[in-house]
Amino acid sequence: DVKVTQSSRYLVKRTGEKVFLECVQDMDHENMFWYRQDPGLGLRLIYFSYDVKMKEKGDIPEGYSVSREKKERFSLILESASTNQTSMYLCASTLQGQPQHFGDGTRLSIL
Amino acid sequence: AQSVSQHNHHVILSEAASLELGCNYSYGGTVNLFWYVQYPGQHLQLLLKYFSGDPLVKGIKGFEAEFIKSKFSFNLRKPSVQWSDTAEYFCAVTDGPGGFKTIFGAGTRLFVKA
Repeated sequence: DVKVTQSSRYLVKRTGEKVFLECVQDMDHENMFWYRQDPGLGLRLIYFSYDVKMKEKGDIPEGYSVSREKKERFSLILESASTNQTSMYLCASTLQGQPQHFGDGTRLSIL
Repeated sequence: AQSVSQHNHHVILSEAASLELGCNYSYGGTVNLFWYVQYPGQHLQLLLKYFSGDPLVKGIKGFEAEFIKSKFSFNLRKPSVQWSDTAEYFCAVTDGPGGFKTIFGAGTRLFVKA
């Protein structure tokens, strides 16, 4: 069974901090995704990656960056955290065109 | 741009009631369609999917969905809901078999009264 592991379930950071969210998958999937989930807005794609060192902007990339140095790991970086980045962050992985497998999510609060 | 529209944000039903959640998408080409469910405190998981073939697909826990190409719809149904179906349900669309991006609807929160 596919396992997508996000490093933290809950995280509290301060405005202006640099924040790293880590995601690891164990099924050799080429595609990995970062979403944020907000009530009434569903899941919005921040960035995705279709191979090591490859990344593409999603619908709301502003204020975020990503890193994919190894196939199994996809990191989301908040360069300078702001209060409007308080949200639930979800990582997912998949083979192309197949259903996505999600991690448990990281609930991030920026104070 | 593609979009996915879910008709209801909140649905409240009594146990044994029938459920239908609407989903419409705006993409004219070949699509892969999904319903995901998120139970309270759990991660998103796949409920069912449609790639091709029979437009009536069956998923886990008695759920089914019907793809109506002419209406760009993929509605989710269950004949008799249970309290344990309380969850948030997301419709999603990927643009074709080779698609990278999956577009999610805003979600429908279902509350089933015991």
